[in-house]
Amino acid sequence: EVQLVESGGGLVQPGGSLRLSCAASGFTFSRYWMHWVRQAPGKGLVWVSHINSDGSSTSYADSVKGRFTISRDNAKNTLYLQMNSLRAEDTAVYYCARDSLVGFDLWGRGTLVTVSS
Amino acid sequence: EVLMTQSPATLSVSPGERATLSCRASQSVSSNLVWYQQKPGQAPRLLMYGASTRATGIAARFSGSGSGTEFTLTISSLQSEDFAVYYCQQYNNWPYTFGQGTKLEVK
Repeated sequence: EVQLVESGGGLVQPGGSLRLSCAASGFTFSRYWMHWVRQAPGKGLVWVSHINSDGSSTSYADSVKGRFTISRDNAKNTLYLQMNSLRAEDTAVYYCARDSLVGFDLWGRGTLVTVSS
Repeated sequence: EVLMTQSPATLSVSPGERATLSCRASQSVSSNLVWYQQKPGQAPRLLMYGASTRATGIAARFSGSGSGTEFTLTISSLQSEDFAVYYCQQYNNWPYTFGQGTKLEVK
């Protein structure tokens, strides 16, 4: 089955860190750019970060630049998001998404990150 | 950053009626625009890409139009499963930006 499954979310204190994972299956993961998109409770979708197919190029939203790091392990078919210096405003469901070059055609179910003391 | 503005924020339509959703870009994005549908508790689903091409498995009652800065998603005859939130997104410029969404609700 073609799918993406996120994990690693949870409750963390302000200033803390979390590492999200996104396990891909059913397709050739190494061929695709990948993205992280987040959605705060009751709010809209916000693009967070992207990585190209071999991991050599990345980009970030200004709101997370310098705090978040995207990476991938093509041998393990897994995408990561290392989140440091977390703030209350980072509280959201984090989705990984596959880039088909004409939109994000495959999404995971998301993992909830809650930043609170 | 390209600002995407969707209107209206909420659209109330009766089943079987037509719904028209709008998306405006702050600068031209050519036809590099997609639409997603999101239901409560679910991930977004790709509906339309290239502004007017239906994604795999999307019903023919969904159609998209526009280019440049003005885009429209039309649902010709609303079914119960169509009531959801719809987002547009441009992929012409980094960062890829989303509109704030239009909630399509039952009238």
